Amino acid sequence: QKEVEQDPGPLSVPEGAIVSLNCTYSNSAFQYFMWYRQYSRKGPELLMYTYSSGNKEDGRFTAQVDKSSKYISLFIRDSQPSDSATYLCAMSPLTSGNEKLTFGTGTRLTIIP
Amino acid sequence: DAGVTQSPTHLIKTRGQQVTLRCSPKSGHDTVSWYQQALGQGPQFIFQYYEEEERQRGNFPDRFSGHQFPNYSSELNVNALLLGDSALYLCASSPDRRETQYFGPGTRLLVL
Repeated sequence: QKEVEQDPGPLSVPEGAIVSLNCTYSNSAFQYFMWYRQYSRKGPELLMYTYSSGNKEDGRFTAQVDKSSKYISLFIRDSQPSDSATYLCAMSPLTSGNEKLTFGTGTRLTIIP
Repeated sequence: DAGVTQSPTHLIKTRGQQVTLRCSPKSGHDTVSWYQQALGQGPQFIFQYYEEEERQRGNFPDRFSGHQFPNYSSELNVNALLLGDSALYLCASSPDRRETQYFGPGTRLLVL
């Protein structure tokens, strides 16, 4: 079983819709949770970064972490064609000696104009 | 402010050869990590360098080695290349070992 599970999609939604992307994980040591956006043939770009449980909002993006369920989500409101990309969840204990990021496989998202 | 930069952008090698990839971290960042991303997969952690030493290593063979220089830039070396080493190699930097990581554009390696 992988430490981080993410539905690879592909996911297609019409422009303006609310998008929900999710990951589950099995390692209780994970404390820091990140979402990256990756356009084709480019490096991952950091979108959201949260610590422990709770919600964090940044413009059209909202990240949610539920540590009791080992479940994280990213919501995109008023989706735009420019949001079409692969979205990667990543997490880490970020404790001394263990700072590596563990990624999901990524969800490929297409926003249809 | 320049972000993380990597060179070269693309590289083609044959099996058995050796390759060196280079990374310059974002200004003010002293920690560099390397990841391998196969097609259709998430990045996999190779190793992390801090203060010119390898601090943590993922499940990669000894053919993968690295170095960090006093100016915090880093190199990834892969010896005895295999077809399965074909991937996007990503460098990430962070301002502190306990901060999140910012990625460069990657080097796409093709092994024939």
